[in-house]
Amino acid sequence: KNEVEQSPQNLTAQEGEFITINCSYSVGISALHWLQQHPGGGIVSLFMLSSGKKKHGRLIATINIQEKHSSLHITASHPRDSAVYICAVTPKVYTDKLIFGTGTRLQVFP
Amino acid sequence: DAGVIQSPRHEVTEMGQEVTLRCKPISGHDYLFWYRQTMMRGLELLIYFNNNVPIDDSGMPEDRFSAKMPNASFSTLKIQPSEPRDSAVYFCASSYLGGTEAFFGQGTRLTVV
Repeated sequence: KNEVEQSPQNLTAQEGEFITINCSYSVGISALHWLQQHPGGGIVSLFMLSSGKKKHGRLIATINIQEKHSSLHITASHPRDSAVYICAVTPKVYTDKLIFGTGTRLQVFP
Repeated sequence: DAGVIQSPRHEVTEMGQEVTLRCKPISGHDYLFWYRQTMMRGLELLIYFNNNVPIDDSGMPEDRFSAKMPNASFSTLKIQPSEPRDSAVYFCASSYLGGTEAFFGQGTRLTVV
């Protein structure tokens, strides 16, 4: 079993829809990261959070430490949001490294 | 700062050849990470450095893989000899502190034929 699990693996949506991507982890963490990877492109860090909620534009990330769960929400989705979204955690045990989920591929159609 | 710079962006080589991937981290970042991304396994950490010193190379798949960081502004990942199963996208990332926000390069897409 992977230490970081994401769901769904693939997601399609119509422009304007509200989107939720989930991440569950099984290790104690000091931080959780959400990353975005566009087709053929590099990887960009969207959020790093250790508690509560963070918002940036139409993106919202939440984390529940007790339940070991995080969600990434996209409001009013747009085709340019189409990308792979990757959840990663910084474990408490070895705090230098990230453990990655396998990613959620999102396609938003006009 | 221009961000993390990797070269080349694409590399096609024949099996058995030596391949060298290069990375320039963001100035002032003390940590440098090499990752490999494949469809099957996603992102995998190969090795990381702190202040130019290799800290954990347990992710390096075989002795064919080696990485160096001769100074704070340059690192290489070398595969010798290369094999078709090494085909993947290799990312370099740097961060100011370990486990904090990492900044990724654009990646090197390696194809070994």
